Formats: sequence, C-alpha cells, structure tokens
Amino acid sequence: DAGVTQSPTHLIKTRGQQVTLRCSPKSGHDTVSWYQQALGQGPQFIFQYYEEEERQRGNFPDRFSGHQFPNYSSELNVNALLLGDSALYLCASSFRDGEGEGYTFGSGTRLTVV
Amino acid sequence: AQKVTQAQTEISVVEKEDVTLDCVYETRDTTYYLFWYKQPPSGELVFLIRRNSFDEQNEISGRYSWNFQKSTSSFNFTITASQVVDSAVYFCALSESPSWGNNRLAFGKGNQVVVIP
Repeated sequence: DAGVTQSPTHLIKTRGQQVTLRCSPKSGHDTVSWYQQALGQGPQFIFQYYEEEERQRGNFPDRFSGHQFPNYSSELNVNALLLGDSALYLCASSFRDGEGEGYTFGSGTRLTVV
Repeated sequence: AQKVTQAQTEISVVEKEDVTLDCVYETRDTTYYLFWYKQPPSGELVFLIRRNSFDEQNEISGRYSWNFQKSTSSFNFTITASQVVDSAVYFCALSESPSWGNNRLAFGKGNQVVVIP
C-alpha cells in the first residue's frame, strides 16, 4: 500500500520563477495538507485541501496557491519565488473524519531558490 | 493560538543511554491531539504516537515511552537504551480539533538526537 508520493524530490529555481510541486495521497485518504520546513525548523502549515477546496490556510502570502483534483492528489504552486522560499515542502494526507495512526507524510520536495 | 515548545535543540547521548525529549504546548481548546514524529535524514516524518486530550494514560511501545501531563501542558518522550538508529530529529506537534484528520498541525522546532556508538 503506497504511502504519500511527492514529486519532484529536488528542484532548483531562480528568483522570480514559478514552481509546481505535486502530491499523491495515501490510498483511502481524502485530505491533503502542505507544510514548509526551513532548515533547522519545524514544519509550518501552508494550507489544507478537502473536496477540491482550500479549507484552512496558514500565514503564507497569496504567492502560495494550491489545487486538489478529483482523485485527491494535489499541487502546490509558488509564484515569484524568493530566496526565502528555499525549504523542504512536505505533503501530508489524512482521512478527514477518521481514526487511525494520524497524518501520513511524504518525503518532501527540497526546493532551492538561487 | 496553538503553540508547541521544544526547548532543547540538539541532544547527544552514548549508545544504551536513555534520552528524554521535553514538549510543552499551549492551547485554549479542551479537545486537542498531541503527536510525536521522527524525521530521519531522508526527510519523511514518521508517525510515532497520537494522544487525545482526554487520555492522560502514559504509553510504552518497545523502547519508547510517553508521559502526558495536562496539569503542566507537557507531553514528554523518552527513548530507553538508545541505539544508533534512533539518531534523527524528533518533533512534537499539536492539533486543535475534535477530529484529528481535518486540522492543521502546529510543530515545535524539533530535537536533533545524536546517538554516539
């Protein structure tokens, strides 16, 4: 049973560019959350998608946007990249009303902005 | 607002020693969930435990144990007889929600545990 799959694993972009990160949730999960983890810090919540809508959002600018598809997979888009956007971006899936072990995280996409 | 504090940043221990990681949380909700995750160098956050706010029983799982004390808003984690494979970053996290699956996680800054052979 596949867990959470994220792509790509590594990415290098130039300031001002745009980037799209992808996430496939664990089988049976219907909710996807995205987190940004700067070096040496804990993950910070970006937003959460359920039923193809953004349900919650953390303290991130509008340059960060997302999408959830009917198959529950999700994309994170970041526009006008800044050096400070360099981080590990983690996707977590969960079942909105469920019990179980908790959120399942992917291995992340490491984004470097130069 | 929810907040999680992990005071120690890096902890080094010699193999077979015990190590305790402290976690203090803040929340105004009466219903919440507490988590511990392990992050090895590969980056993936590995789930270790979830505890809801109404269950103050301590838990032991192999060499891992957790001590939840609502009176002091703490949820501490102990690794007994540490092994080199325990070397990782450990995060404590809090979710304010009646259902854990639909709310954000607030993480602490993490504890880097280094087990020296």
